[in-house]
Amino acid sequence: AQSVTQLGSHVSVSEGALVLLRCNYSSSVPPYLFWYVQYPNQGLQLLLKYTSAATLVKGINGFEAEFKKSETSFHLTKPSAHMSDAAEYFCAVSEIGNEKLTFGTGTRLTIIP
Amino acid sequence: DGGITQSPKYLFRKEGQNVTLSCEQNLNHDAMYWYRQDPGQGLRLIYYSQIVNDFQKGDIAEGYSVSREKKESFPLTVTSAQKNPTAFYLCASSIPQLAGGYGEQFFGPGTRLTVL
Repeated sequence: AQSVTQLGSHVSVSEGALVLLRCNYSSSVPPYLFWYVQYPNQGLQLLLKYTSAATLVKGINGFEAEFKKSETSFHLTKPSAHMSDAAEYFCAVSEIGNEKLTFGTGTRLTIIP
Repeated sequence: DGGITQSPKYLFRKEGQNVTLSCEQNLNHDAMYWYRQDPGQGLRLIYYSQIVNDFQKGDIAEGYSVSREKKESFPLTVTSAQKNPTAFYLCASSIPQLAGGYGEQFFGPGTRLTVL
């Protein structure tokens, strides 16, 4: 069975600092991995996805994530935080042959001016 | 523009009443999903449908019902049997893996349901 763990339900960083949001997954077969962002009272927007091509994936708004099979991780990073990055971020996994997405419980990112 | 629409944005219901949430997509996606979101619990799958006239229960289907009569529409009814229906409801759609998708889902803006 697939599962996702997001370490840290709340993360605060200063404007201009590195953003690092952690995601570890469990999957019995090669996974597909996703990061979504959610602003208050809105739906989820896809930031980026890993589909077994390049292990370093670049997404929208300057975010990127690296798939590390040995660590079963897919951490999300951004070199320099902006005030507009304040939102909730969800990591999700699907597997070949399983159409359903499994979501982590989310990480709320706060940007300190 | 292609996308997913949900209506209404906010919905208030009295206890004991059924209420139907609308979800429409013009992305030509075969699969559609309904999720419930509560603070600190992430997204929980209520129902999903991979093809017209067929749907399956998700993890928390009790007290909910759906229909899939058209490819573009997947309405969710919250019945009076749902004990704690106050939540944020999200609809999504995707391209099935057999049709070239990877499982990524595209979400609507959500409906916030409050039971008074």
